[in-house]
Amino acid sequence: AQTVTQSQPEMSVQEAETVTLSCTYDTSESNYYLFWYKQPPSRQMILVIRQEAYKQQNATENRFSVNFQKAAKSFSLKISDSQLGDTAMYFCAFMKHKGGSEKLVFGKGTKLTVNP
Amino acid sequence: EAQVTQNPRYLITVTGKKLTVTCSQNMNHEYMSWYRQDPGLGLRQIYYSMNVEVTDKGDVPEGYKVSRKEKRNFPLILESPSPNQTSLYFCASSPGLSNQPQHFGDGTRLSIL
Repeated sequence: AQTVTQSQPEMSVQEAETVTLSCTYDTSESNYYLFWYKQPPSRQMILVIRQEAYKQQNATENRFSVNFQKAAKSFSLKISDSQLGDTAMYFCAFMKHKGGSEKLVFGKGTKLTVNP
Repeated sequence: EAQVTQNPRYLITVTGKKLTVTCSQNMNHEYMSWYRQDPGLGLRQIYYSMNVEVTDKGDVPEGYKVSRKEKRNFPLILESPSPNQTSLYFCASSPGLSNQPQHFGDGTRLSIL
């Protein structure tokens, strides 16, 4: 079974600075997808960024980028120029490429606070 | 607007009183799923459905039922709720293609007294 580990329960960063959230996972699959979801105080689950395991290039979305290390099974999220609106819980998630269930396996989350 | 709609958003009820949380999506998605979110545990899948009349258990199905009679709807049923089912629940849908992200509803906060 796949597992996802987020080792930082809480983090804080000053506005405009850069922060990196860690995520490691365990799987025997060779093809899979990795995601970072953001959950602000409104409780919505918002997709931040997605990475396909067969792609070598790290995904980027504006101020958000990932460092995907497939051999190390690591998938960290870097937030540049942090903004107050980035304050949220962040979840790393894994999904197999195939298999039918489309199940997302989530980590336990990292609570990020951006300080003014 | 493409969306997944859950109702109710909040519910406080008592042990043993049957309840249903509805979920509806307007994107013609094949795949729908229910998750529960608990502090320190992240989100865990309860049940999922690949299509109409096709449902299967996720990681934590005990105490829950689902049905998929129509493509757009996927209700979560708690026949006899208990306090350990107090949680935040999310419904999600996707086209059923692994490279397409899942869309989440806004969540339902259930408190079972």
